Amino acid sequence: DQQVKQNSPSLSVQEGRISILNCDYTNSMFDYFLWYKKYPAEGPTFLISISSIKDKNEDGRFTVFLNKSAKHLSLHIVPSQPGDSAVYFCAASGLWGAGSYQLTFGKGTKLSVIP
Amino acid sequence: DVKVTQSSRYLVKRTGEKVFLECVQDMDHENMFWYRQDPGLGLRLIYFSYDVKMKEKGDIPEGYSVSREKKERFSLILESASTNQTSMYLCASSLTGAGPGNEQFFGPGTRLTVL
Repeated sequence: DQQVKQNSPSLSVQEGRISILNCDYTNSMFDYFLWYKKYPAEGPTFLISISSIKDKNEDGRFTVFLNKSAKHLSLHIVPSQPGDSAVYFCAASGLWGAGSYQLTFGKGTKLSVIP
Repeated sequence: DVKVTQSSRYLVKRTGEKVFLECVQDMDHENMFWYRQDPGLGLRLIYFSYDVKMKEKGDIPEGYSVSREKKERFSLILESASTNQTSMYLCASSLTGAGPGNEQFFGPGTRLTVL
């Protein structure tokens, strides 16, 4: 059962416009959410995060919104730039098995920013 | 900056061979992780370790084992490689397990091909 879902495998956006990447989760015990960005042939890099006690976190062009009642979060990139073209993974933090916290990742959304 | 290094960027092995993938982090992180990334499946956790000589199974541990003899080093072992283990393998580390501060830092990945 997929606990973190990114339902759009891909997204194309014009340079300068807003990119909105969506993520849904099913486990209400998740308490911390993260977005990672991945270029081909490189490891994912941490982008931005949000605690479950907040509904918004902003860092430059990147803003993450959390709607706990809907179990939904989104990443907004404004304005979008060609260098933002990458795969974006949503991840959620929660307790795993024997009491340790781990991340559960979505399957990713490939963003293409068209010049 | 946190640095996570992996011993090889590309590796080609034959079916039945024993394969060792090495990962080293230089930031004294407690937690280390091994994932594999496959198209359409996102990042799947194979094993993780929260302390030296400690390990826990992730989502897909079958066919793999791990070793953590020193805090900075976490090895993934394929006892008898099979073609369905052809994948991108990603190592990660994090300082803590829960909430803010548990961002995972990834290595560049090892593209393993099993013939």
